[in-house]
Amino acid sequence: QGQLVQSGGEVKMPGAAVKVSCKASGYTFSAYGITWVRQAPGQGPEWMGWVSAYNGDTNYARKFQDRVTMTTDTSTTTAYMELRSLRFDDTAIYYCAKSPFLRPMDVWGKGTTVTVSS
Amino acid sequence: EIVMTQSPATLSVSPGERATLSCRASQSVGRNLAWYQQKPGQAPRLLIFDASTRATGVPAMFSGSGSGTDFTLTISSLQSEDFAVYYCQQYNYWPVTFGQGTTVEIK
Repeated sequence: QGQLVQSGGEVKMPGAAVKVSCKASGYTFSAYGITWVRQAPGQGPEWMGWVSAYNGDTNYARKFQDRVTMTTDTSTTTAYMELRSLRFDDTAIYYCAKSPFLRPMDVWGKGTTVTVSS
Repeated sequence: EIVMTQSPATLSVSPGERATLSCRASQSVGRNLAWYQQKPGQAPRLLIFDASTRATGVPAMFSGSGSGTDFTLTISSLQSEDFAVYYCQQYNYWPVTFGQGTTVEIK
């Protein structure tokens, strides 16, 4: 089924940007997409968007549309999520997960903690 | 956006008993409904997709049912490792949306 390994935790100032990576292995990377989900402390999961590893097509949640970019690099089987103009309430665990177009997420990374603090 | 509403928020169950969790969608999502289990400090784990199909490696004690707007996850004979938070998720429409979760706790 595969494995997703995410980059390490980050601490950022308000207004900065963060870029989280997600390295895939054990499956045909370009045959699926990657979904990004975040989870604030004590809250449920929040879907941020999806990127196709086949052609780079994206679908973002309206809430993040203006400040998120999701990309993939098939040469390194790695997906990236960049979130800009960080605010205190962006403090959360950010997960990547393997999923085809409009399908459930069957493999998850362990999460990357992003802390926004002054 | 489809709103997913789970009930109850917390379910207290004794080990060995059955737990029944509900999820309602604000409009029909067909059978495009998944259930996830999340334990503290871990990522969510896919249990059920397409409303009633168990994911790879998920034991038969987990079963899902429903279609349209009303769905149920049943956990028969709860074991200690099954006490966790359970989320439903619709993937019929963008944006994909999750319910707020049901915490299954030891009674």
